[in-house]
Amino acid sequence: AQRVTQPEKLLSVFKGAPVELKCNYSYSGSPELFWYVQYSRQRLQLLLRHISRESIKGFTADLNKGETSFHLKKPFAQEEDSAMYYCAQGGRRNTGKLIFGQGTTLQVKP
Amino acid sequence: ETGVTQSPTHLIKTRGQQVTLRCSSQSGHNTVSWYQQALGQGPQFIFQYYREEENGRGNFPPRFSGLQFPNYSSELNVNALELDDSALYLCASSLGANSGNTIYFGEGSWLTVV
Repeated sequence: AQRVTQPEKLLSVFKGAPVELKCNYSYSGSPELFWYVQYSRQRLQLLLRHISRESIKGFTADLNKGETSFHLKKPFAQEEDSAMYYCAQGGRRNTGKLIFGQGTTLQVKP
Repeated sequence: ETGVTQSPTHLIKTRGQQVTLRCSSQSGHNTVSWYQQALGQGPQFIFQYYREEENGRGNFPPRFSGLQFPNYSSELNVNALELDDSALYLCASSLGANSGNTIYFGEGSWLTVV
């Protein structure tokens, strides 16, 4: 079965420090991978997707098929980045099913 | 443009009862997916509706059922409620059923089964 693993439940860093939120997936084909974010008291929203290769709010994520990873990175964390981050993998092409990891809480301390 | 709206926001039910949760999709979206999020877990896919037909289902028993209406709003029904059904139920809408389409989530309905 397809599975997404986020090994850290909590990541705590100081403002200005680099951030890397880890995500590993299990899919032998060409996966569709996403990062979703949930800020306090807000709904879950898309942060970025691997296919668009964009940088959103300073975050980037690179797909590494050899390591089956899609880690989320930011060189300098800001306090407003504190939130819950979920890595997600698209299911079979026509279902729109997303398989989510358990989530990592990012805490950026002043 | 209105976002995804869900009702009710919170409810408490007794084990064995039935519950209906409602979702209005974002304007223009024809696809609705439902997810269950238990405390401390990521969302788990229940099923998806595309143009009023079920289009994919996760690992949930038949007592979880749904509907999509001609205006693309949707309902999630759960029969014979169990304590483990206590969770946040998220509705998400998109334009098209492909997982590559951007999915927009509602704020969820908190269900507590006692």
